Amino acid sequence: AQTVTQSQPEMSVQEAETVTLSCTYDTSENNYYLFWYKQPPSRQMILVIRQEAYKQQNATENRFSVNFQKAAKSFSLKISDSQLGDTAMYFCAFMKQEEYGNKLVFGAGTILRVKS
Amino acid sequence: DTGVSQDPRHKITKRGQNVTFRCDPISEHNRLYWYRQTLGQGPEFLTYFQNEAQLEKSRLLSDRFSAERPKGSFSTLEIQRTEQGDSAMYLCASSLATVANYGYTFGSGTRLTVV
Repeated sequence: AQTVTQSQPEMSVQEAETVTLSCTYDTSENNYYLFWYKQPPSRQMILVIRQEAYKQQNATENRFSVNFQKAAKSFSLKISDSQLGDTAMYFCAFMKQEEYGNKLVFGAGTILRVKS
Repeated sequence: DTGVSQDPRHKITKRGQNVTFRCDPISEHNRLYWYRQTLGQGPEFLTYFQNEAQLEKSRLLSDRFSAERPKGSFSTLEIQRTEQGDSAMYLCASSLATVANYGYTFGSGTRLTVV
């Protein structure tokens, strides 16, 4: 079974600064996908960024980028130029490559607070 | 595209009562997922449908839980004889099966409180 660990329950960052959220996972699979989801207070969870395990190049989406270290089973999220709207719970998630199911296994989450 | 809708947003019920939640996925999505999120934890998989077929159920889904997706459109999740441990946020998500590995679209959830 796969597990996802987020070791930082809470983080805070000043507006316009950079913050990195950590995530490690455990799997025996070779092909899989990794995700970061953002869940603002009382709002729906939205996809921030996705990484395919077979791609060495780290994914980027505007101010969001990842540091994917497959051998270390590490998948951190870097948020540059933090904005107040980035305040949310962030979840790291793992998805095994499979024809059916495509189930997500989530970590416990990191609460990020962006301060003005 | 109105996104994934869940109803109700909040439900408070007495222990032992039955509750039913509804999820309306994005209309062209043939995959529908239910997850449960307890306080301070990430969501956990409960079950999923492809069209009207329920293809997998987690061990978390005890026999008090039942989910349906008649005609492959909306889905309902029923909990019978609710217990305090059922208090959680119940999340629905949908996707096209062919691109499910790109992640899904989540609804805002139904928060259940059992008193």
